Amino acid sequence: QVQLLESGPGLVKPSETLSLTCTVSGVSNSSYYWSWIRQPPGKGLEWIGYIYYSGSTNYNPALKSRVTISVDTSKNQFSLKVTSVTAADTAVYYCASPFFQHWGQGTLVTVSS
Amino acid sequence: DIQMTQSPSSLSASVGDRVTITCQASQDIRQYLNWYQQKPGKAPKLLIYDASNLETGVPSRFSGSGSGTDFTFTISGLQPEDMATYYCQQSDNLPYTFGQGTKLEIK
Repeated sequence: QVQLLESGPGLVKPSETLSLTCTVSGVSNSSYYWSWIRQPPGKGLEWIGYIYYSGSTNYNPALKSRVTISVDTSKNQFSLKVTSVTAADTAVYYCASPFFQHWGQGTLVTVSS
Repeated sequence: DIQMTQSPSSLSASVGDRVTITCQASQDIRQYLNWYQQKPGKAPKLLIYDASNLETGVPSRFSGSGSGTDFTFTISGLQPEDMATYYCQQSDNLPYTFGQGTKLEIK
């Protein structure tokens, strides 16, 4: 059974870098893409980007200049970094498996001084 | 970016009712349309993929149809546990985009 678990700081200061990790279990490798999605409190869903286990990435142009997604296949983890955060980056961040079939529980990241 | 427009934004229905939500894409997305259910404090759950395919384990009262730009999601025989917000999402073109959501309440 595929399971995903997001981890990382719940509070980030403005202008700093948000860093999250998604740990995947129940699947050893995948030829497909793994995604990050976020949801501001009380609002809708926004796709941030994805990464293949090969390391190939694709990002939402709205965030592309500030986002990096990376993968560590040895640990079955993929990670998200968002630089120069503002209050607008406050959201629940989710990781998801290929084709959005499985999602992590989500982790709330608040940007505040 | 492809805009996904869902309607209605909210609705109230009774147990046993047939409920329909529509989703319109700003351009042709072929059949690459997913439907999700999200309950408060929980992650979205994939219900329907590629417009009309029921995800494994999802009750058969949920169904989807459509192609191109116009899609429909239906719950046939609403149950109390179906109270949630429903989202459509296109997976044809990058960036993937979601509808604004339809909040379903049970009368």
